[in-house]
Amino acid sequence: QKEVEQDPGPLSVPEGAIVSLNCTYSNSAFQYFMWYRQYSRKGPELLMYTYSSGNKEDGRFTAQVDKSSKYISLFIRDSQPSDSATYLCAMKGITGGGNKLTFGTGTQLKVEL
Amino acid sequence: DAGITQSPRHKVTETGTPVTLRCHQTENHRYMYWYRQDPGHGLRLIHYSYGVKDTDKGEVSDGYSVSRSKTEDFLLTLESATSSQTSVYFCAISDSGTGTDTQYFGPGTRLTVL
Repeated sequence: QKEVEQDPGPLSVPEGAIVSLNCTYSNSAFQYFMWYRQYSRKGPELLMYTYSSGNKEDGRFTAQVDKSSKYISLFIRDSQPSDSATYLCAMKGITGGGNKLTFGTGTQLKVEL
Repeated sequence: DAGITQSPRHKVTETGTPVTLRCHQTENHRYMYWYRQDPGHGLRLIHYSYGVKDTDKGEVSDGYSVSRSKTEDFLLTLESATSSQTSVYFCAISDSGTGTDTQYFGPGTRLTVL
């Protein structure tokens, strides 16, 4: 079983919809949680970064962490066609050399007009 | 792409040949990383560096070696390429390696081994 599980999709939604993307994990040592967005044939770009449990909001994006359930979410409000991309969750613990990240496999999102 | 370039961007090679991929950064960040990305596996760490001449293995290091002789350059070498090394390779950089440190990714190199 992988340390981080993420539904690969594809997820197709109409423009303006609220999108919910999720990851589950098994390693209770993970303390830092990230969401990256990756457009086709591009490198991942950091979208959201949260520490421990709670919510963090940035414009149309909200990241949510529930450490008791080992579950993280990314919500996108008023989704736009430009949000069409693959969304990768990533996480890491406090200790451990090299700032190593463990990634989910990514969820492909398509926002249709 | 946060001052990160990768070269070449595309490469087709034959099984058994050596291949070197280059990552160059202009951010003066201490940490550099090499990942590979494959369908169904996501991003997996191959090797990373925490300073000039300081490197360590990641999750999928077999068949790969790295070198870092300057802060700005991190090389990934496939000594004898195999078809299983066909992948997209990403370089990443980060500043401090501490908990709040974040990684920034380059544009990727698409490698095909025939």
